[in-house]
Amino acid sequence: TQLLEQSPQFLSIQEGENLTVYCNSSSVFSSLQWYRQEPGEGPVLLVTVVTGGEVKKLKRLTFQFGDARKDSSLHITAAQPGDTGLYLCAYQGGSEKLVFGKGTKLTVNP
Amino acid sequence: NAGVTQTPKFRVLKTGQSMTLLCAQDMNHEYMYWYRQDPGMGLRLIHYSVGEGTTAKGEVPDGYNVSRLKKQNFLLGLESAAPSQTSVYFCASSYLAGTYNEQFFGPGTRLTVL
Repeated sequence: TQLLEQSPQFLSIQEGENLTVYCNSSSVFSSLQWYRQEPGEGPVLLVTVVTGGEVKKLKRLTFQFGDARKDSSLHITAAQPGDTGLYLCAYQGGSEKLVFGKGTKLTVNP
Repeated sequence: NAGVTQTPKFRVLKTGQSMTLLCAQDMNHEYMYWYRQDPGMGLRLIHYSVGEGTTAKGEVPDGYNVSRLKKQNFLLGLESAAPSQTSVYFCASSYLAGTYNEQFFGPGTRLTVL
């Protein structure tokens, strides 16, 4: 099983700040997914990135897939308290399974 | 549509007791999954099913059994609970195996084993 390393593990910032979290591996992936898990809830898919160098935007969230398809980043502009949660990246480990990283726990303080 | 539902939401067991967690989905998904989530460990796959009547082991299957008698339901059983099984359990389902496997998660069951 390939490993996904997410960094930082924890991040606490003030409302309005920008931030970037990372998902890295030594392996090449056909695609990577990002999920957000709000406190007390299950994860929800935010985006799937497929092409090396791809950039996808979801409102204030910008996702990038590395050129070599080994890593991905999530950048949040002007963070809001509603962005608080656990951000998980995942890759397709076989046709029917996902393998998740350990996540970045983000807290946005008002 | 309710999506993925899990019962119960909370449960406290004593060591050695048994219980069954129920997951139901109304999206006609073929694939269903059980994960456990522990602090600092992310989501770890316990068992999964690629269709009615089929099950397979995931990363951490020991101490758990599953059944998928109906397409919409996936049951997770603990025959003899241990404190190490204290965790939050999530069920998920997905409609496509292949390039994009988007999984839809339930709200979780918080289990404490004393």
